[in-house]
Amino acid sequence: DSGVTQTPKHLITATGQRVTLRCSPRSGDLSVYWYQQSLDQGLQFLIQYYNGEERAKGNILERFSAQQFPDLHSELNLSSLELGDSALYFCASSASGSGDEQYFGPGTRLTVT
Amino acid sequence: QQPVQSPQAVILREGEDAVINCSSSKALYSVHWYRQKHGEAPVFLMILLKGGEQKGHDKISASFNEKKQQSSLYLTASQLSYSGTYFCGTEGTLHAGGTSYGKLTFGQGTILTVHP
Repeated sequence: DSGVTQTPKHLITATGQRVTLRCSPRSGDLSVYWYQQSLDQGLQFLIQYYNGEERAKGNILERFSAQQFPDLHSELNLSSLELGDSALYFCASSASGSGDEQYFGPGTRLTVT
Repeated sequence: QQPVQSPQAVILREGEDAVINCSSSKALYSVHWYRQKHGEAPVFLMILLKGGEQKGHDKISASFNEKKQQSSLYLTASQLSYSGTYFCGTEGTLHAGGTSYGKLTFGQGTILTVHP
């Protein structure tokens, strides 16, 4: 158990819908990262937040957004869902950022039908 | 750019050794190694930092050649529990010598299978 929690574990929804994935980092960690893992794209970095502020952005679609709240939990919002958005979404946390080990949550498996 | 891992797959018998390589085309600040079992989250194994610092599990060893932007993970006396997909994640450096704040770019993975 990494200490990072993610909800829900599974999500099945239809195209065009909007979903919210939630992540709670390990106690004391200030950085939260979101990754997408699909069979054809591998593990892709989406976005990073540090103590409530966006710090780094990766290949995140405009239909996706995220935020980190004052209690440090984070949410990833996915809208206008397409079939290709079906993937495992992982949240990871680290103490600060650069040079720190990242601990991954169990992931949310999103299936878009 | 995505780092390149080699080999793509390795099959071992218990007790055998393996080396997994990770090569990047850009200057690196750190290299992270993870193991992922099917359907589970990646598990942190090791981080190697520019300048020589390392953090990780005692039973795992790795190297980081900063000049060549290459890292290798050494798995010795393999056990059945070592089976899984191994990923390297690289963190690049910014032009001013800073970092990319922990943003990792992952390789395509190396599938390791250990048989009894």
